Amino acid sequence: DIVMTQSPDSLAVSLGERATINCKSSQSILYSSNNKNYLAWYQQKPGQPPKLLFSWASTRESGVPDRFSGSGSGTDFTLTISSLQAEDVAVYYCHQYYSTPPAFGQGTKVEIK
Amino acid sequence: QLQLQESGPRLVKPSETLSLTCTVSGGSISSSSFYWGWIRQPPGKALEWIGSAYYSGSTYYNPSLKSRVTISIDTSKSQFSLKLSSVTAADTAIYYCARLNGPYYYGAYWGQGSLVTVSS
Repeated sequence: DIVMTQSPDSLAVSLGERATINCKSSQSILYSSNNKNYLAWYQQKPGQPPKLLFSWASTRESGVPDRFSGSGSGTDFTLTISSLQAEDVAVYYCHQYYSTPPAFGQGTKVEIK
Repeated sequence: QLQLQESGPRLVKPSETLSLTCTVSGGSISSSSFYWGWIRQPPGKALEWIGSAYYSGSTYYNPSLKSRVTISIDTSKSQFSLKLSSVTAADTAIYYCARLNGPYYYGAYWGQGSLVTVSS
């Protein structure tokens, strides 16, 4: 099974500053035949279901602000919030769907400093 | 706008079977483009994919739960269901239903979740 490990577990960032979340898979989730990384990012606020931010590592979901970006390939991925806003306080999860069983990272909690 | 709503008992006794139903509205459960899945989240913990079903009746399960899980789909009622047998306290979680872009792929539409507690 593929294991997803996020870092850090939590981070506190000042409003307007950059927040960077890392996600590492225990094996490559890049499918060579289509050159796609089978990785999604979600945002989860308290009491709410996860909200899909990105699929295929960097394809932004409709309505997601462009201050959010997804990058990376193979085994190392990054979610970046370029200018943190108060409404971005949440837990963020990565999710590999390259192989079954799919796996989620343990989550990264983003707070305001 | 597609909506999903979980329903079912919120309290289940140990060793019994947890049963939840997800009702889909605002879209077709018979679409050939999507799968219908269950994901759970123990309080304060990470997400875990339980399994999914296709409109044809094909099912896919997490191997760690496969011996205890049954997912079924009723296209006539726009519903799909989860049964988890022989539950223990470790099965206490928020259970989400979701529309997935593949059997174990990402999902843009989720239900609000149903907290199911296993306790005597």
